[in-house]
Amino acid sequence: AQTVTQSQPEMSVQEAETVTLSCTYDTSESDYYLFWYKQPPSRQMILVIRQEAYKQQNATENRFSVNFQKAAKSFSLKISDSQLGDAAMYFCAYRGYNFNKFYFGSGTKLNVKP
Amino acid sequence: DAMVIQNPRYQVTQFGKPVTLSCSQTLNHNVMYWYQQKSSQAPKLLFHYYDKDFNNEADTPDNFQSRRPNTSFCFLDIRSPGLGDAAMYLCATSRDLGTGAEGYTFGSGTRLTVV
Repeated sequence: AQTVTQSQPEMSVQEAETVTLSCTYDTSESDYYLFWYKQPPSRQMILVIRQEAYKQQNATENRFSVNFQKAAKSFSLKISDSQLGDAAMYFCAYRGYNFNKFYFGSGTKLNVKP
Repeated sequence: DAMVIQNPRYQVTQFGKPVTLSCSQTLNHNVMYWYQQKSSQAPKLLFHYYDKDFNNEADTPDNFQSRRPNTSFCFLDIRSPGLGDAAMYLCATSRDLGTGAEGYTFGSGTRLTVV
């Protein structure tokens, strides 16, 4: 079975600084998708960014970008110019190519200090 | 706005007393999922419906059941809640199975407390 590991239970960043959240995964599949979801306190989980494994180019969405290392099975999230609204739990997730079942990591709580 | 709505946001139930959690969606998505998320743990898939087809995860306890009377609604029934069932329950939808890079749309969750 696929596993997703987030080794940082909690991180802190100063407002306007850059922070990187780590994620590794284990799979025997060659085609798959990777996602980062954000879960603010008491609010719904929302999609931050996604990456198709067959694409070599790293995905970017405004201040959010990923560093996808397929051989190393690593998928880190970089948040630039951190804002107070970025404070949340961040979940890394894996989805196989042909099925919509997601495997989630245990999450990283991000604190943003003013 | 099209969305996924979970009711109630907070639910307190007594040990052993049946409880039902509700999820509705206005997205007209074919697939609805229920996840259990315990504190500091990854969300764990309990089951999903693809249209009216029910798919149970192998390790989902028999204590958990689900109903989907129509496209818009899906219910999670816990027949005899134990203290270990206290968790956040997340409902999610997707347009279809295996639909490319599409992710889920999540509801805000129901936090269940068992006393």
